Amino acid sequence: DAGVIQSPRHEVTEMGQEVTLRCKPISGHNSLFWYRQTMMRGLELLIYFNNNVPIDDSGMPEDRFSAKMPNASFSTLKIQPSEPRDSAVYFCASIRSQGRTEAFFGQGTRLTVV
Amino acid sequence: AQSVTQLGSHVSVSEGALVLLRCNYSSSVPPYLFWYVQYPNQGLQLLLKYTSAATLVKGINGFEAEFKKSETSFHLTKPSAHMSDAAEYFCAVMGGDTGRRALTFGSGTRLQVQP
Repeated sequence: DAGVIQSPRHEVTEMGQEVTLRCKPISGHNSLFWYRQTMMRGLELLIYFNNNVPIDDSGMPEDRFSAKMPNASFSTLKIQPSEPRDSAVYFCASIRSQGRTEAFFGQGTRLTVV
Repeated sequence: AQSVTQLGSHVSVSEGALVLLRCNYSSSVPPYLFWYVQYPNQGLQLLLKYTSAATLVKGINGFEAEFKKSETSFHLTKPSAHMSDAAEYFCAVMGGDTGRRALTFGSGTRLQVQP
């Protein structure tokens, strides 16, 4: 199994530009999570999906952030317009199914907004 | 809302010494509890988890943790540190008061292992 796959691994963009982060969960996993990691705030949950449906997006910082999961094998996190304070490492994670608790994390996308 | 507190943002031990990383949770309903490890520029890897079975949980790489409801604690230990254990360790909860299926993480503890 290839694990959770995130792309790109690194992204450098200018302030005001649109950024799209991508995630492919492990096949057969039906819950998907987006986290953001910064030195100041640690690991924060942004949003999570169950069976492709957003369950809790209370962690999404503001309207500039949006996430979609069009099917069971793909999710995107979009920031438009990006700001320097969005610089962080963004992780995607997935869990197999109800009753399972082990979350598998991707390698993360390091976003730098200049 | 449930939360996790990790005491000590940095812990330094000598190679071969006992490792003890502290984690306390806040939840009126015992949650599921986890320890994850993060190596530089990597994602998080599960070390071990408590899901209401045995209170002493053994994980990978010789780590173990004990769930103590009376102390609301889930401290991580390893009898003998190895240089390769140097990393950041995160305690996390799931479920509990909120029943939420997402992980809530502590602030992390960076473990240094001195030769």
